[in-house]
Amino acid sequence: RKEVEQDPGPFNVPEGATVAFNCTYSNSASQSFFWYRQDCRKEPKLLMSVYSSGNEDGRFTAQLNRASQYISLLIRDSKLSDSATYLCVVRTMDTGRRALTFGSGTRLQVQP
Amino acid sequence: EAGVTQSPTHLIKTRGQQATLRCSPISGHTSVYWYQQALGLGLQFLLWYDEGEERNRGNFPPRFSGRQFPNYSSELNVNALELEDSALYLCASSFRKSSYNEQFFGPGTRLTVL
Repeated sequence: RKEVEQDPGPFNVPEGATVAFNCTYSNSASQSFFWYRQDCRKEPKLLMSVYSSGNEDGRFTAQLNRASQYISLLIRDSKLSDSATYLCVVRTMDTGRRALTFGSGTRLQVQP
Repeated sequence: EAGVTQSPTHLIKTRGQQATLRCSPISGHTSVYWYQQALGLGLQFLLWYDEGEERNRGNFPPRFSGRQFPNYSSELNVNALELEDSALYLCASSFRKSSYNEQFFGPGTRLTVL
């Protein structure tokens, strides 16, 4: 089982739609969670950190469910420019492990 | 504020050669991370340096190595290149003392092994 799992998509949605991605992680010791966005052939860019109480940044809302070990990203009022791959990222504070574990990403295509 | 920079942008090598990739972190960041992203695949963690020391290593053979310099810039060396080493190599930096430790990525070096 992968440490961080995401539905690869693609999610094809019309402009203005609301879309949600989920991501599950297997290590219960994971402590920090992030969503990154990666455009085709570009570097990942931090979209938002995910806090325990959930957090919102404009049209983007992130939630963390520690009991079920998943995080979610909700995008409201989708724009064409939101088309990208969204990477779920988990950090475990165990010094013997990798610094960050990336999911393989969920591809979003917003259509006019 | 300048972001993470990497050089070269593109690198073409042949099998068996050595490649050296360079990274300069964001000013004030002490940690540098290296990742490999093969075409169509997710990011795979390679190495983590902080304060000049290797702190952690991913599941890669020893021919992948690197170092961090006193100014916190870093080098990734790949010896005895193989065709499957062709990938985008990404460097990220973070401020280790930050409680959340977000990482910020450079534009990457695209390595092609022929």
